[in-house]
Amino acid sequence: TQLLEQSPQFLSIQEGENLTVYCNSSSVFSSLQWYRQEPGEGPVLLVTVVTGGEVKKLKRLTFQFGDARKDSSLHITAAQPGDTGLYLCAVWDYKLSFGAGTTVTVRA
Amino acid sequence: DAGVIQSPRHEVTEMGQEVTLRCKPISGHDYLFWYRQTMMRGLELLIYFNNNVPIDDSGMPEDRFSAKMPNASFSTLKIQPSEPRDSAVYFCASSLGQGGTYEQYFGPGTRLTVT
Repeated sequence: TQLLEQSPQFLSIQEGENLTVYCNSSSVFSSLQWYRQEPGEGPVLLVTVVTGGEVKKLKRLTFQFGDARKDSSLHITAAQPGDTGLYLCAVWDYKLSFGAGTTVTVRA
Repeated sequence: DAGVIQSPRHEVTEMGQEVTLRCKPISGHDYLFWYRQTMMRGLELLIYFNNNVPIDDSGMPEDRFSAKMPNASFSTLKIQPSEPRDSAVYFCASSLGQGGTYEQYFGPGTRLTVT
């Protein structure tokens, strides 16, 4: 059983549309990280959220940590082809565990 | 500053051969992690070190896998003997442990193909 469940597994949208991906768990975490991985490269850290209810913005990306610190969401506004990639969430629970990821494709 | 460096970037070997993957972490980082990524299993943590000492190797799939960190600037992951099911992309990442968030800085990965 995965510690972190990410949904949807795949998402394909047109440039300019908005999208939201989710990361859920039944466990409580002290912090949660989001990474983006482009083909042929290693994952790159986007953000770390640590406080329940916290909202962080990174240009067109908005990250939210659930009030109970069990879940998180990533919202992209006006998606661009450069946002294409695999989005991974991760938590530290005695060791770092990653979700299976959401593959996002933004069509020009 | 240089990021995490991994070598080789690609490795093709025959079943039964020994494979050694190398990693140089970011200077000053005190944690080093080895991951394996496949389509079927996603990104899996194999082992991690703190100050050159292995802390958790529960993700190492079999005794055929071993990892060492002889100093703060170098680590190896060895597979002996290799098998076709070991084919995957292997990532090394380093991190600063302070703050308790263990944010990962990944290398570019080594794509291993075992025929």
